[in-house]
Amino acid sequence: DGGITQSPKYLFRKEGQNVTLSCEQNLNHDAMYWYRQDPGQGLRLIYYSQIVNDFQKGDIAEGYSVSREKKESFPLTVTSAQKNPTAFYLCASRIDGTSGGDTQYFGPGTRLTVL
Amino acid sequence: AQSVTQPDIHITVSEGASLELRCNYSYGATPYLFWYVQSPGQGLQLLLKYFSGDTLVQGIKGFEAEFKRSQSSFNLRKPSVHWSDAAEYFCAVGAGYGGATNKLIFGTGTLLAVQP
Repeated sequence: DGGITQSPKYLFRKEGQNVTLSCEQNLNHDAMYWYRQDPGQGLRLIYYSQIVNDFQKGDIAEGYSVSREKKESFPLTVTSAQKNPTAFYLCASRIDGTSGGDTQYFGPGTRLTVL
Repeated sequence: AQSVTQPDIHITVSEGASLELRCNYSYGATPYLFWYVQSPGQGLQLLLKYFSGDTLVQGIKGFEAEFKRSQSSFNLRKPSVHWSDAAEYFCAVGAGYGGATNKLIFGTGTLLAVQP
């Protein structure tokens, strides 16, 4: 089956710890995205990547880091510098450069809770 | 700056009744518009999208949306709601097309409840 997988589904972190959220896609999509979702605020863009080994900050990148070493993988690290990391994190991907290229497809999400 | 407004935070409709969810956008060029649906604790599923052409767009699950440039709106409609439609609905505008500037800007969502 083609799709986007995110792991783990639930993640608990102690204050001061870094954690890494996994996002993998087998859709052969070029672009990948990380969003943060908080109640009543919609989705906000953290980072995105158009090609391997390149990524750009979104609207709320502070306290987060990413890497894009492989086309199919775009892990997100939530660092201890992120002051309020408890949220639902969504990964998305998109085919770049075709007529349907603007559609983003989403993974099932990871809920991160800081204890 | 681009923005999306969903004025209704929460809507309750009876099963079998018609539904309209409102979405207004602010964007300088021809927009790319999307509606997504999210069940609790799940990711987002694409319902429909508008890129160009016919302003009435058909989507999955019996939903449709109409792009009205003069009103900067892209309202989502369904003629008869089913209990399984209870979910949160997000409208989004694509900020650019292709290339490095293609991002989505989301509204804050409308939570739909369906009563028997």
